[in-house]
Amino acid sequence: AQSVTQLDSQVPVFEEAPVELRCNYSSSVSVYLFWYVQYPNQGLQLLLKYLSGSTLVESINGFEAEFNKSQTSFHLRKPSVHISDTAEYFCAVSRGSSNTGKLIFGQGTTLQVKP
Amino acid sequence: GAGVSQSPSNKVTEKGKDVELRCDPISGHTALYWYRQSLGQGLEFLIYFQGNSAPDKSGLPSDRFSAERTGGSVSTLTIQRTQQEDSAVYLCASSFGEGPYEQYFGPGTRLTVT
Repeated sequence: AQSVTQLDSQVPVFEEAPVELRCNYSSSVSVYLFWYVQYPNQGLQLLLKYLSGSTLVESINGFEAEFNKSQTSFHLRKPSVHISDTAEYFCAVSRGSSNTGKLIFGQGTTLQVKP
Repeated sequence: GAGVSQSPSNKVTEKGKDVELRCDPISGHTALYWYRQSLGQGLEFLIYFQGNSAPDKSGLPSDRFSAERTGGSVSTLTIQRTQQEDSAVYLCASSFGEGPYEQYFGPGTRLTVT
C-alpha cells in the first residue's frame, strides 16, 4: 500500500519569499506523483505531476517539484511567492503501471502568503 | 466546456437517514472517482469506475456506502443509515481514461449529519 506524508500543516511566508512544501511517500512499488491545489472556495485542481523521465517537473505558474527516489520525496518549491498562491496544497500518489488512477493524498499543507 | 458538477452542494440530514449524492462527470470522460474530505481523515479515496469494468470499491468505509454509475456517465453515491462520522465533503472527479490522467474535481457536496 502507498501512503503520503506532508510534514507541515501550515506554512506562513511573506510575499516574494521562496517556499518549499515537503512531501514524502511510502510505497513498495513504483508510483506516479502529483501536487493538487485548492484555492479558497474553489475545487481541487492539478498543479503538476511526475510520471517518468526528468525528475524535475514544473507548473505554468512558477512552481516546481523534484522526484527523489532515494529519499522518497516530492517536495514542491517556488522561488518567489505571490499573494494569489495562498491555498491548500495536496501531495498525492498513485500506483505506477496500474490500470487505475486512484489517488492517495497527504493531509495537505496550507500556504499563507502575507503582504 | 462544462466541468464536473455535483448536487446538492449542501445536505443536512438526521442521523439514521439515507442520502444520495449525485455527480455529473465531464462528457467523454470514462473514469469517475469519489473521494471524501474530512477534518480528521483528510482526502480519502472511496470508489472508482472505469467504463464497463467492475468498480474498485476498496475505499468504501463500510457496507452502508454504495455507488453506481448509470450508462457510463452520471454517478450516485448512497449512504444508508447515516452516522455523524459520515459528515464530510464528498468530492467527485473524472478523467479521460484509466491510468494517471489528470483528474478534474467537482465542487463537492458538504454533508452534515445531525
